[in-house]
Amino acid sequence: NAGVTQTPKFRVLKTGQSMTLLCAQDMNHEYMYWYRQDPGMGLRLIHYSVGEGTTAKGEVPDGYNVSRLKKQNFLLGLESAAPSQTSVYFCASSFHRVNTEAFFGQGTRLTVV
Amino acid sequence: GQSLEQPSEVTAVEGAIVQINCTYQTSGFYGLSWYQQHDGGAPTFLSYNALDGLEETGRFSSFLSRSDSYGYLLLQELQMKDSASYFCALDRGSTLGRLYFGRGTQLTVWP
Repeated sequence: NAGVTQTPKFRVLKTGQSMTLLCAQDMNHEYMYWYRQDPGMGLRLIHYSVGEGTTAKGEVPDGYNVSRLKKQNFLLGLESAAPSQTSVYFCASSFHRVNTEAFFGQGTRLTVV
Repeated sequence: GQSLEQPSEVTAVEGAIVQINCTYQTSGFYGLSWYQQHDGGAPTFLSYNALDGLEETGRFSSFLSRSDSYGYLLLQELQMKDSASYFCALDRGSTLGRLYFGRGTQLTVWP
């Protein structure tokens, strides 16, 4: 059982380049999330999805887009990368109910130069 | 909106007991969660308090008081492997993206 898998694990981008981060979960979870983690800032929610075909903005959505065409996949896109997007990105998923844990992927370390 | 406050750093020695506090401001929430994250790793779930009171899971316990807008994580019989960051998180429900995380507390356990 793989859980939540993120690809790639590391990436270096030049300013202005685009890329897509892929998150896949095999637990049949309804909810999926993208967070970014910066030193001293905790985990901040970028976008989330409560089901296939649905997405919503979190606290820090600017500069990012997402898609959830299949229940098991949640894609995070950066159309024109900026140095301020240098961060560690975590994908997570959970079931559709309260009192339940979120499962996190291993993270993607992105550096924009 | 929401806000969560937790200490940035806590230190303790092996075998000791440590309490990590979390105070919050929010208009409503379903529960308070705690997550552990080792350096370079993914956050992992520790506990969830939906109701006031103490939840115990092995060496770890978590407490919630809605009337005081306060919760804490209690770690007993500390081990070196407990050195990690600990995050409290409010469960806001599905329409608000569920979990809202605090900035984390770095726990260092000394031998």
